Amino acid sequence: EVQLVQSGAEGKKPGESLKISCKGSGYSFSSYWIGWVRQMPGKGLEWMGIIFPGDSDTRYSPSFQGQVTISADKSISTAYLQWSSLKASDTAMYYCARGPDDYFDYWGQGTRVTVSS
Amino acid sequence: QSVLTQPPSVSAAAGQKVTISCSGSSSNIGNNYVSWYQQFPGTVPKLLIFDNNKRPSGIPDRFSGSKSGTSATLGITGLQTGDEADYYCGTWDSSLSAYWVFGGGTKLTVL
Repeated sequence: EVQLVQSGAEGKKPGESLKISCKGSGYSFSSYWIGWVRQMPGKGLEWMGIIFPGDSDTRYSPSFQGQVTISADKSISTAYLQWSSLKASDTAMYYCARGPDDYFDYWGQGTRVTVSS
Repeated sequence: QSVLTQPPSVSAAAGQKVTISCSGSSSNIGNNYVSWYQQFPGTVPKLLIFDNNKRPSGIPDRFSGSKSGTSATLGITGLQTGDEADYYCGTWDSSLSAYWVFGGGTKLTVL
């Protein structure tokens, strides 16, 4: 069974750093893209970027380029999304999702990030 | 403001049919496959349609997808109250570099 299991909810202060994770199982992790999607409270889905764990090829949405870093460690089937300096506006639910090529078929359960002073 | 335009809301009576549009351009829908996602409040998005018109295993045939030119459409027949959710279209965009875009989402209300 394909599963993407994300790390737990985080509560941080502005300016702090954060790295959340997404662990894949039940399939060849290196062979599928993993995308990250933001959903701010009461808002729609926003695609942040994507990584191919097999060779770490990474692409970012222009809206998120330079704001976050996406990485992956194929040896432990885990992808990451990290911030170096969080802002209150980063408060959102973050989903990882597996992307064969032209769609996202399996989604993680989401990681809620709250940034507040 | 997404490059894919969806109506913010649609509504129809139970048992009827509804369509949700997703309008884009030649840099996205016009040259790429479209997928659709269903999201109930507080839950994880779920793939509903991929490659314009294909249904994943387990998705009932009441749900259909189509694409024409730079627009795509999600159709739902035999509406049920359990279909009330937010629906999003998505595709690749290659106007700058290749990146994925979602539509703004459409809230379906079943009357």
